[in-house]
Amino acid sequence: KNQVEQSPQSLIILEGKNCTLQCNYTVSPFSNLRWYKQDTGRGPVSLTIMTFSENTKSNGRYTATLDADTKQSSLHITASQLSDSASYICVVSANNAGNMLTFGGGTRLMVKP
Amino acid sequence: AAGVIQSPRHLIKEKRETATLKCYPIPRHDTVYWYQQGPGQDPQFLISFYEKMQSDKGSIPDRFSAQQFSDYHSELNMSSLELGDSALYFCASSFTGTGTYNEQFFGPGTRLTVL
Repeated sequence: KNQVEQSPQSLIILEGKNCTLQCNYTVSPFSNLRWYKQDTGRGPVSLTIMTFSENTKSNGRYTATLDADTKQSSLHITASQLSDSASYICVVSANNAGNMLTFGGGTRLMVKP
Repeated sequence: AAGVIQSPRHLIKEKRETATLKCYPIPRHDTVYWYQQGPGQDPQFLISFYEKMQSDKGSIPDRFSAQQFSDYHSELNMSSLELGDSALYFCASSFTGTGTYNEQFFGPGTRLTVL
């Protein structure tokens, strides 16, 4: 069964600090992995999308890594801002599943002043 | 840039009533997906359409139906509403083309409350 697990479930950090969110997946055959940011009650917004051959991808203060061998990904947020408070969802797409996605449970990040 | 549009943004219905949610994909996107997200839960895939034909079916109840029209907008029809149908309903769209990863772009969602 395709699964995506994220850790931690929730995280509180102070403004300006860095943090790293983890994602482990068992989706096979792997197509691509995406990180989404979802504000409460709003639609997920794509941060990065990586394929098998990509190890690192950055989008501003967000840097995602992918280790296809260990089936792990991380999302690193630098110099956090209050507006970074949201849920961060790791989503994996399998090659044989059309465009269906397997969602992780998300990490709820709260940035405090 | 144009995004996925959903309407209405909020909807309140009574049990056993019907509801219709609408989704307008990003221009030139050919695939539309519907997701249901309960409080504190992951989005659950319901159904998708490619070029106006159903392409995949997930955990969509028999009481729900959906279709994609000639202008590519999609509607999710929900009948005999139950309290458990209260959730956020997201629509996403993608373009099936080389090098696009078929990335799904999500709309803002419709919050359905069943009383």
